[in-house]
Amino acid sequence: DQQVKQNSPSLSVQEGRISILNCDYTNSMFDYFLWYKKYPAEGPTFLISISSIKDKNEDGRFTVFLNKSAKHLSLHIVPSQPGDSAVYFCAARPGGNDMRFGAGTRLTVKP
Amino acid sequence: DGGITQSPKYLFRKEGQNVTLSCEQNLNHDAMYWYRQDPGQGLRLIYYSQIVNDFQKGDIAEGYSVSREKKESFPLTVTSAQKNPTAFYLCASGPPDNYNEKLFFGSGTQLSVL
Repeated sequence: DQQVKQNSPSLSVQEGRISILNCDYTNSMFDYFLWYKKYPAEGPTFLISISSIKDKNEDGRFTVFLNKSAKHLSLHIVPSQPGDSAVYFCAARPGGNDMRFGAGTRLTVKP
Repeated sequence: DGGITQSPKYLFRKEGQNVTLSCEQNLNHDAMYWYRQDPGQGLRLIYYSQIVNDFQKGDIAEGYSVSREKKESFPLTVTSAQKNPTAFYLCASGPPDNYNEKLFFGSGTQLSVL
């Protein structure tokens, strides 16, 4: 039962262009959402988060958008850089200590 | 230098053998977690602990056991009852009962079956 879904296993973009990574969730109790970045053979590192009371949060080149009615969030990276190439995980919390993760999207940024 | 340390980085298990994965943190976090990553499936929660001497099962606890005798340590034992143990195991920690906080992850242990 995947409550957090990332339907695109991979994405390839040109350096300098925008990368858009998408995430859908099914549990309406989720009220805090996070994006993590992961390199091979390493643990995920926190990238950006958003609370359900907001619909947008921005941090430098990274912006997360939340559409609660559609149960959808997205991560925008502008401009994309080769160093952004990694696997990106979407995560959600329904309160408490239970965090659910999507399957990840592998982003490749080509020079 | 604060962080989470997982060891070993690679581990091999023989048939019918129990193996233990180590996780240590010096972030003074009360809550610790174990996740399993399989290709194409994201991270699935095995066990978590909000405080010393207490832990709860996650979604896929069968075949695993944990202990939390010290705040800094949360070892995971993969028992012989776990029939498909090959995966990448990630330990994480974070503040308890504060859902607006991120988790911090270790660098992972790759477990393979011989």
